[in-house]
This record gives sequence, structure tokens and C-alpha cells, in this order.
Amino acid sequence: SAVISQKPSRDICQRGTSLTIQCQVDSQVTMMFWYRQQPGQSLTLIATANQGSEATYESGFVIDKFPISRPNLTFSTLTVSNLSPEDSSIYLCSVGDRFNEQFFGPGTRLTVL
Amino acid sequence: QKEVEQNSGPLSVPEGAIASLNCTYSDRGSQSFFWYRQYSGKSPELIMSIYSNGDKEDGRFTAQLNKASQYVSLLIRDSQPSDSATYLCAVNRNGNQFYFGTGTSLTVIP
Repeated sequence: SAVISQKPSRDICQRGTSLTIQCQVDSQVTMMFWYRQQPGQSLTLIATANQGSEATYESGFVIDKFPISRPNLTFSTLTVSNLSPEDSSIYLCSVGDRFNEQFFGPGTRLTVL
Repeated sequence: QKEVEQNSGPLSVPEGAIASLNCTYSDRGSQSFFWYRQYSGKSPELIMSIYSNGDKEDGRFTAQLNKASQYVSLLIRDSQPSDSATYLCAVNRNGNQFYFGTGTSLTVIP
């Protein structure tokens, strides 16, 4: 399976600021996704990052709050904008394969003060 | 109704026993089914995929799928303390539609 890295691994941010998370894959992948995992909870899909076009957002998530870029088949960024303490969470990118399996990066732990 | 439901546990089993984890899903159109293991502070790790009715075995792990009853289970034989983790059931309905359960916490007691 692909090797996935995320940067930063963790950050502490002030309310009202933004954080951009990078996801790098060591091979070209078609399907790339962004998830949120709030403390003690399961994973919630934020959006599918589409190469060369706008991301596809799930219900409850909007582009203004979670802008996503996917400039090529190995890289994507997720920005969490106008941070509030409710955004404190772990953010995970994942990649999908032709069997619909998904493999996750190590995650970014965000704390908003 | 949630897309994917799991008992949150915690489930405790003695070392060497069989741990049985269960999951039900709501959409009969679901096509692919997965079990992930997540250690505390780590990201989920895929341990089993199953696509057709019946059993699929991989080492100490067996996944079972029953589409008619809309459930998926995971059996862990000869449980080890290192198996202590949260196990997430995931269901893929149609391409990018991927849903996770809330996870079952498993503790294997030495």
C-alpha cells in the first residue's frame, strides 16, 4: 500500500486563525479523502479531494470552512479556516485503491485555544 | 438510523480466547466491508476486507459477512494483549460513499 505522510503532526492554534494540513503520497492515487475524528468518536468524511477540480463535500461541511486543494495525484491540502475550539480534532487524509480499500495517513492533531 | 452500528464495548477477553466483534449496516446496496484497528493516538489500520457472503480468514482474523441479515463480524482467535485497540467497521456503499461505525473497544487481559 501507499506510504502517506501528513504535516504538521500536531498544532496548537488560536481562535480565528487557520491551519493548512498537507498530505503527501509516495505514488499516484486517484482517490484521496479528508476525514475528521473528534475526541472519542469515529471518523467523519469531510470531502473527497478531486484532482484538477473542486472537492466534493459531505453534508455539513462547506468549502469556505474547509477549502481543499489537489494540484496533482500525489498531494492535497486541507485548510481549516476561522478556527474555533469545536474544530479541535484529529484530521486524517486517506487514499483509496481499486478495491475500495482506504489507507490512512498518520493524522494531524489540532487543538484550538 | 445510523449507516453503520457497532457495540461500543468495552469488550474484555482473556488472553488466548476468541474475541467476537459485530457490526450492522443499514443500506442493502452496500458493496464492500472493512475492519480497521486503531490503537490509541494512532490512525486506523486496515486489517480485513470482505466483499461476498461467507467467511474470509487471514491468520488469526476471520471476517464474516451476511448480506441478507446486513451484518459483518470479526473474530480474533488466540487473542493477544497487543490486540487491545478500538476496532472500526466500515462500509462502502457506492464508490466514494464510505461510512464508519463508532468502534468497539477491545481489551485482552493477560
